[in-house]
Amino acid sequence: GESVGLHLPTLSVQEGDNSIINCAYSNSASDYFIWYKQESGKGPQFIIDIRSNMDKRQGQRVTVLLNKTVKHLSLQIAATQPGDSAVYFCAENSWYSSASKIIFGSGTRLSIRP
Amino acid sequence: EAGVTQFPSHSVIEKGQTVTLRCDPISGHDNLYWYRRVMGKEIKFLLHFVKESKQDESGMPNNRFLAERTGGTYSTLKVQPAELEDSGVYFCASSHGTSQETQYFGPGTRLLVL
Repeated sequence: GESVGLHLPTLSVQEGDNSIINCAYSNSASDYFIWYKQESGKGPQFIIDIRSNMDKRQGQRVTVLLNKTVKHLSLQIAATQPGDSAVYFCAENSWYSSASKIIFGSGTRLSIRP
Repeated sequence: EAGVTQFPSHSVIEKGQTVTLRCDPISGHDNLYWYRRVMGKEIKFLLHFVKESKQDESGMPNNRFLAERTGGTYSTLKVQPAELEDSGVYFCASSHGTSQETQYFGPGTRLLVL
């Protein structure tokens, strides 16, 4: 079947530290993954994506790692800032699910300690 | 460039009443999607339009939900009659292309059925 799931519902980090949010998926045929950030009162906002032919992709202060062997991906946020406080969703949008619908995980709420 | 907009931002109705949600996609985006998040669960796909045609409506929960996109521009999602379990946040998203294209989300409509 199709599913993505996050390991922890909440994560608290010290401002300035790096944050790591983990996610697992169940279908080895999944080939496209996306991380979304949702701030209070807003819709999910695209952060970064990665395809299954890659192991790592970097953006501005964010890195996504994909381990296909154990079906795991992670989002790393460098030098976490107060503005990073949000719920983070891992999601997939794979060819076997018509490649049009996004399947979301349950989300991890990231809070920043001053 | 204006993002995806949704109206209303909030709606409180009584069980048995009708509510119509509206979504205006990003100009030029042929693909429009509806998702919803109910009772703290994952964000779930409802349906996908390509222009005015329903491409995939596999996520629509039952026949109390009717989505339209006449003219291929804005879309409406009507719930009639509303039930308590319909309470949640309804998101609309749009994308330029279909297959694994970035979907841009609106802020959502928060629906509460009493």
